[in-house]
Amino acid sequence: AAGVIQSPRHLIKEKRETATLKCYPIPRHDTVYWYQQGPGQDPQFLISFYEKMQSDKGSIPDRFSAQQFSDYHSELNMSSLELGDSALYFCASSLDHRDTYEQYFGPGTRLTVT
Amino acid sequence: AQKVTQAQTEISVVEKEDVTLDCVYETRDTTYYLFWYKQPPSGELVFLIRRNSFDEQNEISGRYSWNFQKSTSSFNFTITASQVVDSAVYFCAIQETSGSRLTFGEGTQLTVNP
Repeated sequence: AAGVIQSPRHLIKEKRETATLKCYPIPRHDTVYWYQQGPGQDPQFLISFYEKMQSDKGSIPDRFSAQQFSDYHSELNMSSLELGDSALYFCASSLDHRDTYEQYFGPGTRLTVT
Repeated sequence: AQKVTQAQTEISVVEKEDVTLDCVYETRDTTYYLFWYKQPPSGELVFLIRRNSFDEQNEISGRYSWNFQKSTSSFNFTITASQVVDSAVYFCAIQETSGSRLTFGEGTQLTVNP
């Protein structure tokens, strides 16, 4: 079965640079979530989109922005990168249907800021 | 606001021992969903189980079992006859309404020694 695809899987950037993470949800899933997991920490919710509209917002820095496109893929744009942004970034998707609530996670993008 | 507490930071057992991972949650909602995820050293988040707040029936899946007790706001996870491959970080999470963010506990690092 198709899973959530994230690209790139690994990314190395320098401080103050910009990064773009991409997420391709499971086909027919219309909701996308982004989570950030720092070293030794639990995943923290950043932002979510339903039908291309922002549906919820968590502790996402102002330097970050995200959007969901007409084909339902999503991109997380990160500017003025800081060392503390080094983390594993997960995208998850779900079918916002009455009987289905599981969020299926992608493999993650490991961002290292040097 | 919702909160999940996993008081056990690390657990170490010997293969074939049974082990229980504790999860206590807080929420003001009457409808919510509880999850367990496994994160092996490779980093991906693997969905294990979802339980809604109206279903207090315990569940068993192979060597895994879950005990949901609303009276104590707990959703504990037991692995019977543990194996080395069970070594991972296990996260308990709560979702208050359909399609909303997951709030994770801090995770329990389980190490199963041969």
